[in-house]
Amino acid sequence: DAGVIQSPRHEVTEMGQEVTLRCKPISGHNSLFWYRQTMMRGLELLIYFNNNVPIDDSGMPEDRFSAKMPNASFSTLKIQPSEPRDSAVYFCASTGLNTEAFFGQGTRLTVV
Amino acid sequence: SQQGEEDPQALSIQEGENATMNCSYKTSINNLQWYRQNSGRGLVHLILIRSNEREKHSGRLRVTLDTSKKSSSLLITASRAADTASYFCATDDNNAGNMLTFGGGTRLMVKP
Repeated sequence: DAGVIQSPRHEVTEMGQEVTLRCKPISGHNSLFWYRQTMMRGLELLIYFNNNVPIDDSGMPEDRFSAKMPNASFSTLKIQPSEPRDSAVYFCASTGLNTEAFFGQGTRLTVV
Repeated sequence: SQQGEEDPQALSIQEGENATMNCSYKTSINNLQWYRQNSGRGLVHLILIRSNEREKHSGRLRVTLDTSKKSSSLLITASRAADTASYFCATDDNNAGNMLTFGGGTRLMVKP
C-alpha cells in the first residue's frame, strides 16, 4: 500500500477562491481524520469519519469549511471562500480499529 | 481544546543524553500513542500503549502509562542528532469511538 495519499502537496490561491483538498486513505482502514497544523494553534482535529460517516465535526472552524467522504477510498476537504487565515498545513490520516494512525504528507495551503 | 498536553514544549540536549517527554490527558482512553514529526513532513507513528499496559519498549524508546494520573512519558535513550524532531502524544478517547486527539508537541533538538 502506498500509504495515505494527499493532493495537492502545495496550493497557493487568492482570497475568496474555493479550495479543495483530497485524501485517499489506506485500503481497509475504517476511520479518517482531517487535521490542520499551524505554528500558533498546533495540530487541530477538524473532522473525523468512521465508516464514511462524519462522527465529529466540532473542530471545523466555520461554515466555509466542509468535508465529504463519498466512499471508503476518498475524502475531500473544501474551503469556500478561502481567507488568508486559512493558510496552514492540512493533514489527512487514516486508521483501523484500535490501531495507529497513518498520516499523509500534508497539503501546504497558502491563501494570499 | 486539546486532550493531550506535552511537557516540556521544547527540549535541547547533547547527543548521547536521554530525552524524556511527558504527556497528560483528561478523559478515559483506549490507548495512548506517540508520534514523531520532522519539519515539513507528516506525523509518523512511534509506539502505542494500551490502557491496560504500564510500560512498553521499542528499540531506544520507552513509554510508560499511568492511568491513575492520566499521564504518559516517552524516553529516548542515547539520543542522536537524527532524533531532532517534534514529538506528539495522541489519545484514543474511550467515549469517542477511535477519535485521535493530539497534544501540542515537544520540540526536541539533539546537538551533535
